[in-house]
Amino acid sequence: DIQMTQSPSSLSASVGDRVTITCRASQMTSTYLNWYQHKPGGAPRLLIYAASRLQSGVPSRFRGSGSGTEFTLTISSLQLEDFATYYCHQSYRDPWTFGQGTKVEIK
Amino acid sequence: EVHVVESGGDLVQPGGSLRLSCVASGFTFANFRMAWVRQAPGKGLEWVASVFPNGGTAYKEDSVEGRFTISRDNSKNTVSLQMSSLRVEDTALYYCAKYLGGDCSGGGCYSLDSWGQGTLVTVSS
Repeated sequence: DIQMTQSPSSLSASVGDRVTITCRASQMTSTYLNWYQHKPGGAPRLLIYAASRLQSGVPSRFRGSGSGTEFTLTISSLQLEDFATYYCHQSYRDPWTFGQGTKVEIK
Repeated sequence: EVHVVESGGDLVQPGGSLRLSCVASGFTFANFRMAWVRQAPGKGLEWVASVFPNGGTAYKEDSVEGRFTISRDNSKNTVSLQMSSLRVEDTALYYCAKYLGGDCSGGGCYSLDSWGQGTLVTVSS
């Protein structure tokens, strides 16, 4: 299975901060890499697909980059509604696998 | 607007069976792949199974293959997950989700763009 490792596992940040989350795959995944936002009690929300494509309706402060084994999700200016857990997800090879999650908390 | 709603979660004893259902609306259901993803308490997301428009399937081998069966009814816009020989470690919130579909260049179609709120399965004696 392809292992997905996110860093950090958690972070504290303030509104307006720039936040960067990294996802590393144990094998090449091309650009078959997606990012989701998940809030407690809610449904996961697709933010970025194919490594860098912004899903419809998602604010432009979210940006994805990378290919191969190294990927990054950047939030350019953190907003109150962005405090959540973020997951990367590879869909290059079955079984699909997710990172362990990065919890973004209010400082 | 796309809606995905799961049901069927319950408390069940180890070794028991349970059938989860998912009803989807707001899109041409027959054209899209669908998936089940679960989240155990305090853990991350884990893909369980997918079903394709023609009924083809894929499973997470080590965890559920041979015990779980995913199926769909395109006439009723529903996806089901039949679970048997349930184990304590199958305890989780089970989400049903729709594939993004469309342009597959760079893998874009293989993401999950619409999810339900989940249905809770608890396996315990």
